[in-house]
Amino acid sequence: NAGVMQNPRHLVRRRGQEARLRCSPVKGHSHVYWYRQLPEEGLKFMVYLQKENIIDESGMPKERFSAEFPKEGPSILRIQQVVRGDSAAYFCASSQGLGEEAFFGQGTRLTVV
Amino acid sequence: RKEVEQDPGPFNVPEGATVAFNCTYSNSASQSFFWYRQDCRKEPKLLMSVYSSGNEDGRFTAQLNRASQYISLLIRDSKLSDSATYLCVVNMRNTDKLIFGTGTRLQVFP
Repeated sequence: NAGVMQNPRHLVRRRGQEARLRCSPVKGHSHVYWYRQLPEEGLKFMVYLQKENIIDESGMPKERFSAEFPKEGPSILRIQQVVRGDSAAYFCASSQGLGEEAFFGQGTRLTVV
Repeated sequence: RKEVEQDPGPFNVPEGATVAFNCTYSNSASQSFFWYRQDCRKEPKLLMSVYSSGNEDGRFTAQLNRASQYISLLIRDSKLSDSATYLCVVNMRNTDKLIFGTGTRLQVFP
């Protein structure tokens, strides 16, 4: 069984470009979470999705950030017009729901230059 | 009040010491509890689930106190390799959402 797969592992973007981060959950998992982590800081919740639905996006910045988890394919976290402050590690996790534990991908390290 | 709170530490302990972390949660509707471990610049990994009756895995013991709304993690005979950040995680019954604490940093020294 493949675990949570995130790609790319490292992403470099110039200011103003778009960043697309992909997350393929564990097979059979229908719940996906996205977290952001700045150096030396804790995980910050961004968004929680179930298939085709955003359940909680209270941690997402109001502008430039969006997330989706389509019926087919990976979950996508999209950051438009990136700025230097968006540089961080972005982790995706998936679970079966029903109170079960979540498993994390290795993260995407975004660097904005 | 934060939904999940942890002492950020760091806890600096010598090898062989016993160390305990607590984590408090605010929502009494929480249904599932976990401890995760995160090493520097790596993804968090599940350490253990926390059951109502408590559970033990080798040198690690986790306990849940629903009345006082906290969970604990006890590490006995600390090893250098235990140095990491330990994250408390709570699952909310109504939304099935996982809430992470900010983590407690442990540094074990020789």
